[in-house]
Amino acid sequence: EAQVTQNPRYLITVTGKKLTVTCSQNMNHEYMSWYRQDPGLGLRQIYYSMNVEVTDKGDVPEGYKVSRKEKRNFPLILESPSPNQTSLYFCASSLMGRASEAFFGQGTRLTVV
Amino acid sequence: DAKTTQPNSMESNEEEPVHLPCNHSTISGTDYIHWYRQLPSQGPEYVIHGLTSNVNNRMASLAIAEDRKSSTLILHRATLRDAAVYYCILGAGSYQLTFGKGTKLSVIP
Repeated sequence: EAQVTQNPRYLITVTGKKLTVTCSQNMNHEYMSWYRQDPGLGLRQIYYSMNVEVTDKGDVPEGYKVSRKEKRNFPLILESPSPNQTSLYFCASSLMGRASEAFFGQGTRLTVV
Repeated sequence: DAKTTQPNSMESNEEEPVHLPCNHSTISGTDYIHWYRQLPSQGPEYVIHGLTSNVNNRMASLAIAEDRKSSTLILHRATLRDAAVYYCILGAGSYQLTFGKGTKLSVIP
């Protein structure tokens, strides 16, 4: 089954404790990206990647890092999480970027206290 | 950035067609028009996308105005499972999907 898998689904952490949210896709897609969703603000793109070792900033990259060492994986790293990063995070992948459909993961609900 | 404008909410009766409008007056020639929907507690789900011509798939139809400044997502027979937030999005740049606030569709039994 074609899917994008995120882990963990829920995470509560403390300010400043580094964390990684993993994202994996099994469709051999070139493009992957991360979004955060906040009430009243909708989904905003954090980072995206067009291929292995190629990443670029989205609309709200501050406080986040990503890496794309393999095509299937695109982890989101919060080096020093802060309470304003409490949010619902989605990973997505697509074959041809804006010209094709994107598949989204089920989401990771992160709470930073 | 090219933006879209959608009504905040719409209602439809079950088993009737639904027309969800979207305005994108600043669309550029290379922007794709995408529609996604999001059910409560789930990730966005692809519905349909197009560039210039009208498109049909098993879920819906997409009608694109000739000047491409507006489009309409058509659900041919609304079901209760179609109740969701529908996002009209312009796919711009190399990989940029900018989500707006969407239209919350309620389906009345």
